[in-house]
Amino acid sequence: EVQLLESGGGVVQPGGSLRLSCAASGFTLSNYAINWVRQAPGKGLEWVSSITGSVRNTYYADSVKGRFTISRDESRNTLYLQMNSLRAEDTAVYYCAKEPYDNPPFNWFDPWGQGTLVTVSS
Amino acid sequence: DIQMTQSPASLSASVGDRVTITCRASQSIRSQLNWYQQEPGEAPKLLIYGASSLRSGVPSRFSGSGYGTDFTLTISSLQPEDFADYYCQQTFAISVTFGGGTKVEIK
Repeated sequence: EVQLLESGGGVVQPGGSLRLSCAASGFTLSNYAINWVRQAPGKGLEWVSSITGSVRNTYYADSVKGRFTISRDESRNTLYLQMNSLRAEDTAVYYCAKEPYDNPPFNWFDPWGQGTLVTVSS
Repeated sequence: DIQMTQSPASLSASVGDRVTITCRASQSIRSQLNWYQQEPGEAPKLLIYGASSLRSGVPSRFSGSGYGTDFTLTISSLQPEDFADYYCQQTFAISVTFGGGTKVEIK
């Protein structure tokens, strides 16, 4: 069964850093494009970042460009989101979501992990 | 970025009702439109991809239509488990965007 499990969320002060993980099972991460999507409390969905499979092309929303970095560890079959210079408006549940293909990305997202909550507050 | 406008933002309906949710893109996205269902406290789940293709395992009462800028999600006969939030998503442009969501509530 294809599954994604996020971890690493927590409370961090403004300006701080956090690294989220997304452990994949039931498939090989490097064979597919994978995305991060976030949802602020009580709000809608916002795409954050994507990484393709074999070529490792990366893409970012303007709101996080220069502050967030997407990467993966193939030996651990795990995706990461390094988040630096965090702001209050980054507070959200962060989901990872798999694409049906390696490249090109941006087809549809299925499945999604259960999410991990990041709270940026002093 | 391509803006996705969903309507209505919320609706009240009864079990057995036919429900229609619309999504309009600010420019043509061909058929690169997907629909997701999100139950409270849960992650989103894919319902429809490519504007009209039903994801395997999704009940046939869900259907999608449209092309270009105007799209529709229809639930032919609302069931108790369908009361949830619904989002459209365009994947035509690199900066993927979602509609603002539609909350389907019990009347």
